[in-house]
Amino acid sequence: ETGVTQTPRHLVMGMTNKKSLKCEQHLGHNAMYWYKQSAKKPLELMFVYNFKEQTENNSVPSRFSPECPNSSHLFLHLHTLQPEDSALYLCASSQESGSNEQFFGPGTRLTVL
Amino acid sequence: QKEVEQNSGPLSVPEGAIASLNCTYSDRGSQSFFWYRQYSGKSPELIMFIYSNGDKEDGRFTAQLNKASQYVSLLIRDSQPSDSATYLCAVNKNDYKLSFGAGTTVTVRA
Repeated sequence: ETGVTQTPRHLVMGMTNKKSLKCEQHLGHNAMYWYKQSAKKPLELMFVYNFKEQTENNSVPSRFSPECPNSSHLFLHLHTLQPEDSALYLCASSQESGSNEQFFGPGTRLTVL
Repeated sequence: QKEVEQNSGPLSVPEGAIASLNCTYSDRGSQSFFWYRQYSGKSPELIMFIYSNGDKEDGRFTAQLNKASQYVSLLIRDSQPSDSATYLCAVNKNDYKLSFGAGTTVTVRA
């Protein structure tokens, strides 16, 4: 069982909906990440938080809005998404930014209709 | 040029054989290198990391790094059907960003 949990595991939403993805890590790590994984494409880094501060926004559209209330929790708020945003969204954590070993949660499979 | 390149496969090997996976990277400043295994429908799982030139062995897995050639590989000895998965190469410049390859799909034939 991974030390990083994500909910929900599956999500289907319409383009006008607002939803949130949740990630929680139980590893005592200080850095947390959101990745997007589309079929046959490399993992794409979306956001990085280090000690609750956002240190990276990898040119992600504003319809994705991250929130990190503390070092253990990370959210991704979704609104007015497009069908091409359908993908597997993965959360990861590491001991600290600059540390190399990232551990992934199980992911949320998102489908936008 | 892609930051991290891998052959997409599929790489098909018979059970008990050695599977050899290759990865090249473009940034000479890269410092650390990772191999993740991802089963279908699951999230990536870290199986190996290597920082120094040469070989690093962990059980049936051996990672090989050649910084001069900007090349990292993974060998899986005595391949088992349970090794059938997609293997992701990831590269880090000692900042917080990992760059991933698209992955190589390995199928081990029983």
